[in-house]
Amino acid sequence: KAGVTQTPRYLIKTRGQQVTLSCSPISGHRSVSWYQQTPGQGLQFLFEYFSETQRNKGNFPGRFSGRQFSNSRSEMNVSTLELGDSALYLCASNRLIGTDTQYFGPGTRLTVL
Amino acid sequence: GENVEQHPSTLSVQEGDSAVIKCTYSDSASNYFPWYKQELGKRPQLIIDIRSNVGEKKDQRIAVTLNKTAKHFSLHITETQPEDSAVYFCAASIGGGADGLTFGKGTHLIIQP
Repeated sequence: KAGVTQTPRYLIKTRGQQVTLSCSPISGHRSVSWYQQTPGQGLQFLFEYFSETQRNKGNFPGRFSGRQFSNSRSEMNVSTLELGDSALYLCASNRLIGTDTQYFGPGTRLTVL
Repeated sequence: GENVEQHPSTLSVQEGDSAVIKCTYSDSASNYFPWYKQELGKRPQLIIDIRSNVGEKKDQRIAVTLNKTAKHFSLHITETQPEDSAVYFCAASIGGGADGLTFGKGTHLIIQP
C-alpha cells in the first residue's frame, strides 16, 4: 500500500503571499490531520478532516485553513504569509479518527523570506 | 487542552545500554499514547503505541509503560544500537475526540559507540 504523500516537498515564498499544500492519504484512510513542526514549538496540531468535514482546529490564526475532498485528499492553505510560518508541514492519515494509528507523510518544507 | 511534558530533551547512552524517556500528560481523558521516531530529514515513524486499557506493551527491544493514576508513560529501549539514534516524540490524544495528537517536545537520543 502506498504511504502518505505530500506535494510539494519544498516551497519558498515571500511575506504576504499565500500557499497551498496538498496531502494524499493512504488508500482507504478517511481522516487527515495537519501538523506544523518547528524547532522552537515542536509538533503542533493544526486541524483534522474526516469525510470532508473539519473536526477540530488547533490554536492557529484564521490565516491557516484547509479542506478535504471526496477522495479524502486534503489541502491546507496559509494566507498572508509571515516569517514565523516557516516550518515543516506534516500531514497524517488514519482510517478513522480518535485512537486509530496515524501515519505521517514526508512533509512540505516551507520557507518564508 | 492537553499538555504533554517530555524528559529528557537530550539523552546520550553507550551502545548496548538501555534508554528511558518519560512523558507526563495533563488530561485524564486521554487514552491513546503513541511514540514516534524521527530521523534527521525524515517523517515521524510510529514505533509503538499503547491504549489506556493496557499497562505495558512490548515489541522486541522497545517497550512502553503507562501509569494512568500518575498520568505518565515511558518508552524503554534495551540493547541500544547506533540506528536507534534519532529524535523520539511521545504524544497523547483523547480517543474519539477531535483534538489531534498533542506531542511532547522530543528527546534527542544519541547512541555512543
